[in-house]
Amino acid sequence: NAGVMQNPRHLVRRRGQEARLRCSPMKGHSHVYWYRQLPEEGLKFMVYLQKENIIDESGMPKERFSAEFPKEGPSILRIQQVVRGDSAAYFCASSVNSGRSTDTQYFGPGTRLTVL
Amino acid sequence: DAKTTQPPSMDCAEGRAANLPCNHSTISGNEYVYWYRQIHSQGPQYIIHGLKNNETNEMASLIITEDRKSSTLILPHATLRDTAVYYCIVPLNTDKLIFGTGTRLQVFP
Repeated sequence: NAGVMQNPRHLVRRRGQEARLRCSPMKGHSHVYWYRQLPEEGLKFMVYLQKENIIDESGMPKERFSAEFPKEGPSILRIQQVVRGDSAAYFCASSVNSGRSTDTQYFGPGTRLTVL
Repeated sequence: DAKTTQPPSMDCAEGRAANLPCNHSTISGNEYVYWYRQIHSQGPQYIIHGLKNNETNEMASLIITEDRKSSTLILPHATLRDTAVYYCIVPLNTDKLIFGTGTRLQVFP
């Protein structure tokens, strides 16, 4: 029973390039969450998605960042025109949709983005 | 999310029980208490959660006070691999988790 998978594990980009981070949720999970951890800081929520829908993007920067979770395939976090301040670890989590008020989120190993 | 308060750091001898406290005095009746940990720079690892009853699994035990205003995570026999930052989180709904600064647990030989 594979856990949450993220790739690539490490990504290096030059300023101005685009970064695409992928997340495959656990089997049977239909909810995906993205978090960012800047160096020496705590994890911060970015966005919450269900299949083909963005439910909460209150933590997403207003520009250059976008996320999707298509009907088929992994969730994608896309960062356009990266800047050095985007260097961070990006973690994806997934949960089932049990209908309860709270579902446990399980995290992937993260993608470490370095912007040169 | 209900605000949680944890000590910034704790030490524990290997083989001893590690008891990590958390205060969540503003918790509501239907809010769960979740514990995660982050070992070095790995992805956060789910440990345990509970509503009002004490819970135990293969990793830890969770003791929640009767008034639900505080809880304690217990690692019964800490090992060096349990050295990590431990987060107590009270999420209101299925949405975002708010990670505070957590407790940095150092297990020493």
